[in-house]
Amino acid sequence: ETGVTQTPRHLVMGMTNKKSLKCEQHLGHNAMYWYKQSAKKPLELMFVYSLEERVENNSVPSRFSPECPNSSHLFLHLHTLQPEDSALYLCASSQGGESDEQYFGPGTRLTVT
Amino acid sequence: GQNIDQPTEMTATEGAIVQINCTYQTSGFNGLFWYQQHAGEAPTFLSYNVLDGLEEKGRFSSFLSRSKGYSYLLLKELQMKDSASYLCAVRDSNYQLIWGAGTKLIIKP
Repeated sequence: ETGVTQTPRHLVMGMTNKKSLKCEQHLGHNAMYWYKQSAKKPLELMFVYSLEERVENNSVPSRFSPECPNSSHLFLHLHTLQPEDSALYLCASSQGGESDEQYFGPGTRLTVT
Repeated sequence: GQNIDQPTEMTATEGAIVQINCTYQTSGFNGLFWYQQHAGEAPTFLSYNVLDGLEEKGRFSSFLSRSKGYSYLLLKELQMKDSASYLCAVRDSNYQLIWGAGTKLIIKP
Protein backbone atom coordinates (compact mmCIF):
# COMPACT_ATOMS: atom_id res chain seq x y z
CA GLU A 1 0.00 0.00 0.00
CA THR A 2 1.34 3.44 -0.88
CA GLY A 3 0.61 7.06 -0.07
CA VAL A 4 -1.80 8.14 2.65
CA THR A 5 -4.76 5.98 3.57
CA GLN A 6 -7.76 6.79 5.73
CA THR A 7 -10.45 4.65 7.29
CA PRO A 8 -13.36 4.62 7.30
CA ARG A 9 -14.20 6.43 4.07
CA HIS A 10 -17.73 7.15 5.24
CA LEU A 11 -19.11 7.44 8.77
CA VAL A 12 -22.56 8.24 10.09
CA MET A 13 -22.80 8.77 13.83
CA GLY A 14 -25.24 10.10 16.36
CA MET A 15 -24.41 12.96 18.66
CA THR A 16 -23.89 10.66 21.63
CA ASN A 17 -21.58 8.19 19.87
CA LYS A 18 -17.83 7.81 20.16
CA LYS A 19 -15.85 6.93 17.05
CA SER A 20 -12.30 7.22 15.74
CA LEU A 21 -10.85 8.12 12.36
CA LYS A 22 -7.60 6.49 11.33
CA CYS A 23 -4.86 7.74 9.03
CA GLU A 24 -1.73 5.91 7.93
CA GLN A 25 1.09 7.23 5.75
CA HIS A 26 3.51 4.96 3.89
CA LEU A 27 5.81 7.73 2.67
CA GLY A 28 8.30 7.93 5.53
CA HIS A 29 7.22 11.49 6.32
CA ASN A 30 7.75 13.09 9.72
CA ALA A 31 4.75 15.43 9.94
CA MET A 32 1.03 14.63 9.85
CA TYR A 33 -2.04 16.87 9.73
CA TRP A 34 -5.79 16.76 10.27
CA TYR A 35 -7.98 19.09 8.19
CA LYS A 36 -11.71 19.73 8.07
CA GLN A 37 -13.20 20.47 4.63
CA SER A 38 -16.72 21.87 4.44
CA ALA A 39 -18.50 22.68 1.18
CA LYS A 40 -17.36 25.92 -0.46
CA LYS A 41 -15.09 26.78 2.49
CA PRO A 42 -11.29 26.80 2.76
CA LEU A 43 -9.56 23.85 4.30
CA GLU A 44 -9.39 24.30 8.08
CA LEU A 45 -6.25 23.04 9.76
CA MET A 46 -7.15 21.24 12.99
CA PHE A 47 -3.98 19.58 14.27
CA VAL A 48 -0.35 19.18 13.27
CA TYR A 49 2.08 16.58 14.56
CA SER A 50 5.80 16.75 13.87
CA LEU A 51 7.94 13.81 14.95
CA GLU A 52 4.93 12.55 16.95
CA GLU A 53 4.62 15.77 18.96
CA ARG A 54 1.64 18.07 18.57
CA VAL A 55 2.79 21.46 17.29
CA GLU A 56 -0.48 23.07 16.28
CA ASN A 57 -3.97 23.10 17.73
CA ASN A 58 -6.11 25.72 16.09
CA SER A 59 -8.73 26.26 18.79
CA VAL A 60 -10.45 23.00 17.96
CA PRO A 61 -13.31 21.98 20.30
CA SER A 62 -12.38 19.34 22.85
CA ARG A 63 -14.88 16.90 21.32
CA PHE A 64 -12.11 16.27 18.78
CA SER A 65 -9.09 14.52 20.28
CA PRO A 66 -6.02 13.60 18.19
CA GLU A 67 -3.55 10.83 18.87
CA CYS A 68 -0.24 10.13 17.13
CA PRO A 69 1.29 6.90 18.44
CA ASN A 70 4.13 6.91 15.88
CA SER A 71 5.23 8.81 12.78
CA SER A 72 3.12 6.64 10.45
CA HIS A 73 -0.23 6.68 12.25
CA LEU A 74 -2.64 9.41 13.24
CA PHE A 75 -6.05 9.12 14.86
CA LEU A 76 -8.89 11.55 15.45
CA HIS A 77 -11.16 10.50 18.30
CA LEU A 78 -14.68 11.88 18.14
CA HIS A 79 -17.25 12.17 20.92
CA THR A 80 -20.52 14.06 21.45
CA LEU A 81 -20.28 15.74 18.06
CA GLN A 82 -22.70 18.32 16.71
CA PRO A 83 -24.47 18.31 13.32
CA GLU A 84 -22.25 21.23 12.19
CA ASP A 85 -19.27 18.88 12.52
CA SER A 86 -20.49 17.02 9.45
CA ALA A 87 -17.75 17.46 6.84
CA LEU A 88 -14.92 15.75 4.99
CA TYR A 89 -11.97 15.09 7.31
CA LEU A 90 -8.66 14.93 5.49
CA CYS A 91 -5.36 13.63 6.74
CA ALA A 92 -2.08 14.75 5.18
CA SER A 93 1.64 14.17 5.66
CA SER A 94 4.81 15.98 4.65
CA GLN A 95 8.54 15.47 4.82
CA GLY A 96 9.84 18.99 5.30
CA GLY A 97 12.38 20.62 3.02
CA GLU A 98 12.06 23.72 0.87
CA SER A 99 8.55 23.21 -0.47
CA ASP A 100 7.32 20.75 2.17
CA GLU A 101 4.27 19.91 0.04
CA GLN A 102 1.58 17.92 1.74
CA TYR A 103 0.24 14.59 0.54
CA PHE A 104 -3.40 13.98 1.33
CA GLY A 105 -5.45 10.92 2.05
CA PRO A 106 -8.87 10.41 0.41
CA GLY A 107 -10.72 11.64 3.50
CA THR A 108 -13.52 10.42 5.73
CA ARG A 109 -16.97 11.77 4.91
CA LEU A 110 -18.56 12.28 8.34
CA THR A 111 -22.27 12.82 8.90
CA VAL A 112 -23.53 13.61 12.39
CA THR A 113 -27.22 12.97 12.91
CA GLY B 1 -6.73 39.03 8.95
CA GLN B 2 -5.35 36.61 6.44
CA ASN B 3 -7.23 36.04 3.21
CA ILE B 4 -6.96 34.09 -0.02
CA ASP B 5 -9.32 35.01 -2.88
CA GLN B 6 -10.02 32.91 -5.93
CA PRO B 7 -13.08 32.64 -8.20
CA THR B 8 -15.71 30.17 -7.06
CA GLU B 9 -16.32 28.59 -10.45
CA MET B 10 -15.04 28.80 -14.02
CA THR B 11 -16.08 27.13 -17.26
CA ALA B 12 -13.83 26.40 -20.23
CA THR B 13 -13.87 24.38 -23.44
CA GLU B 14 -11.91 21.21 -24.13
CA GLY B 15 -8.67 22.03 -25.94
CA ALA B 16 -8.65 25.66 -24.82
CA ILE B 17 -6.57 27.55 -22.24
CA VAL B 18 -7.80 28.75 -18.84
CA GLN B 19 -6.21 30.96 -16.20
CA ILE B 20 -7.26 30.66 -12.55
CA ASN B 21 -6.29 33.67 -10.45
CA CYS B 22 -5.45 33.81 -6.76
CA THR B 23 -4.83 36.93 -4.68
CA TYR B 24 -3.64 36.85 -1.10
CA GLN B 25 -3.13 39.00 1.98
CA THR B 26 -1.15 37.12 4.60
CA SER B 27 1.16 37.72 7.53
CA GLY B 28 4.40 37.13 5.70
CA PHE B 29 5.05 34.87 2.74
CA ASN B 30 6.97 31.62 2.50
CA GLY B 31 5.66 30.11 -0.69
CA LEU B 32 2.46 29.56 -2.65
CA PHE B 33 0.96 26.21 -3.59
CA TRP B 34 -1.60 24.99 -6.09
CA TYR B 35 -3.47 21.73 -5.53
CA GLN B 36 -5.98 19.87 -7.69
CA GLN B 37 -8.95 18.09 -6.12
CA HIS B 38 -11.31 15.90 -8.10
CA ALA B 39 -14.77 15.44 -6.62
CA GLY B 40 -14.70 12.92 -3.80
CA GLU B 41 -10.92 12.58 -3.92
CA ALA B 42 -7.85 13.85 -2.08
CA PRO B 43 -6.17 17.13 -3.06
CA THR B 44 -2.98 16.47 -5.03
CA PHE B 45 0.01 18.79 -5.24
CA LEU B 46 0.46 20.64 -8.56
CA SER B 47 3.01 23.41 -8.05
CA TYR B 48 5.05 25.51 -5.64
CA ASN B 49 6.24 29.09 -6.21
CA VAL B 50 8.43 31.03 -3.81
CA LEU B 51 10.19 33.42 -6.25
CA ASP B 52 8.54 35.75 -8.76
CA GLY B 53 8.01 34.37 -12.21
CA LEU B 54 6.58 31.47 -14.12
CA GLU B 55 7.06 27.79 -13.31
CA GLU B 56 6.12 25.46 -16.14
CA LYS B 57 5.25 21.81 -15.68
CA GLY B 58 3.84 20.19 -18.79
CA ARG B 59 0.38 21.55 -19.60
CA PHE B 60 0.25 23.40 -16.26
CA SER B 61 2.11 26.61 -15.37
CA SER B 62 2.00 28.72 -12.23
CA PHE B 63 2.95 32.38 -11.93
CA LEU B 64 3.78 34.45 -8.86
CA SER B 65 4.11 38.18 -8.19
CA ARG B 66 4.95 38.72 -4.53
CA SER B 67 4.75 42.53 -4.80
CA LYS B 68 1.16 42.26 -6.05
CA GLY B 69 0.12 39.38 -3.80
CA TYR B 70 -0.99 37.55 -6.90
CA SER B 71 -0.66 34.16 -8.55
CA TYR B 72 -2.31 32.33 -11.39
CA LEU B 73 -2.50 28.76 -12.57
CA LEU B 74 -2.54 28.35 -16.34
CA LEU B 75 -3.91 25.16 -17.86
CA LYS B 76 -3.30 24.56 -21.58
CA GLU B 77 -4.84 22.06 -24.02
CA LEU B 78 -7.66 21.38 -21.59
CA GLN B 79 -8.90 17.84 -21.24
CA MET B 80 -12.13 16.59 -19.72
CA LYS B 81 -10.14 15.05 -16.86
CA ASP B 82 -9.04 18.57 -15.84
CA SER B 83 -12.55 19.15 -14.46
CA ALA B 84 -11.80 19.55 -10.76
CA SER B 85 -11.41 22.10 -8.00
CA TYR B 86 -8.12 24.01 -7.87
CA LEU B 87 -6.95 25.14 -4.44
CA CYS B 88 -4.54 28.01 -3.82
CA ALA B 89 -2.64 28.06 -0.51
CA VAL B 90 -0.03 30.43 0.93
CA ARG B 91 2.47 29.61 3.66
CA ASP B 92 2.69 32.51 6.08
CA SER B 93 5.47 33.74 8.35
CA ASN B 94 4.63 31.01 10.89
CA TYR B 95 4.96 28.39 8.13
CA GLN B 96 1.24 27.72 8.40
CA LEU B 97 -0.73 27.10 5.18
CA ILE B 98 -3.61 29.50 4.55
CA TRP B 99 -6.06 28.02 2.05
CA GLY B 100 -8.44 29.53 -0.47
CA ALA B 101 -11.92 28.06 -0.87
CA GLY B 102 -11.01 26.62 -4.27
CA THR B 103 -12.09 27.23 -7.86
CA LYS B 104 -14.35 24.63 -9.44
CA LEU B 105 -13.35 24.26 -13.08
CA ILE B 106 -15.92 22.81 -15.47
CA ILE B 107 -14.69 21.62 -18.87
CA LYS B 108 -17.23 21.38 -21.68
CA PRO B 109 -16.75 19.41 -24.90
